[in-house]
Amino acid sequence: DGGITQSPKYLFRKEGQNVTLSCEQNLNHDAMYWYRQDPGQGLRLIYYSQIVNDFQKGDIAEGYSVSREKKESFPLTVTSAQKNPTAFYLCATTAGGYGYTFGSGTRLTVV
Amino acid sequence: GDSVTQMEGPVTLSEEAFLTINCTYTATGYPSLFWYVQYPGEGLQLLLKATKADDKGSNKGFEATYRKETTSFHLEKGSVQVSDSAVYFCALSDSGVSGGYNKLIFGAGTRLAVHP
Repeated sequence: DGGITQSPKYLFRKEGQNVTLSCEQNLNHDAMYWYRQDPGQGLRLIYYSQIVNDFQKGDIAEGYSVSREKKESFPLTVTSAQKNPTAFYLCATTAGGYGYTFGSGTRLTVV
Repeated sequence: GDSVTQMEGPVTLSEEAFLTINCTYTATGYPSLFWYVQYPGEGLQLLLKATKADDKGSNKGFEATYRKETTSFHLEKGSVQVSDSAVYFCALSDSGVSGGYNKLIFGAGTRLAVHP
């Protein structure tokens, strides 16, 4: 079945450490997105990519980085510059039009 | 900029009660509107959508009508079940991204708890 896979499901980060969240899709979708979810604040866009080797900052890109070397993959790195990284991170894809497919999310906690 | 405002939760109902979750939006253009549902520990699933004024989206007994005059897209269901307990997000498409890949702008979400 086609879909979008995020891993790991739970991730723990120490102070000053960079961590990378994986997002892989086999839907052959062009566009991919990373959202951050905090309690009571809905989802906020971190980065998005419409095509391989190209990506744009969203509303809260500071402290994050991404790459898009393959159509299937859009990993998100949470750097040490992100001072409050504890959140639920969601990856999504779309082939255009208005249909978004979301992954099941990664819960990141700072320890 | 574009934004979405939802009623605050939690909304607590008994099984078979009528549900309304209010959603209003602000947009400069003519956005498409969506309702997504999130079950505990999972990602979001599209529940229904409407792409133009007066359209009604419906799915699994849920309905919402795109009201341009009141800039609203309220979610309704005539008889809720315990299995409907989840967080519901209203969203609009931002047409500012070129190439047809629209960004979604979300409301804060409304938690629904349905008791037997």
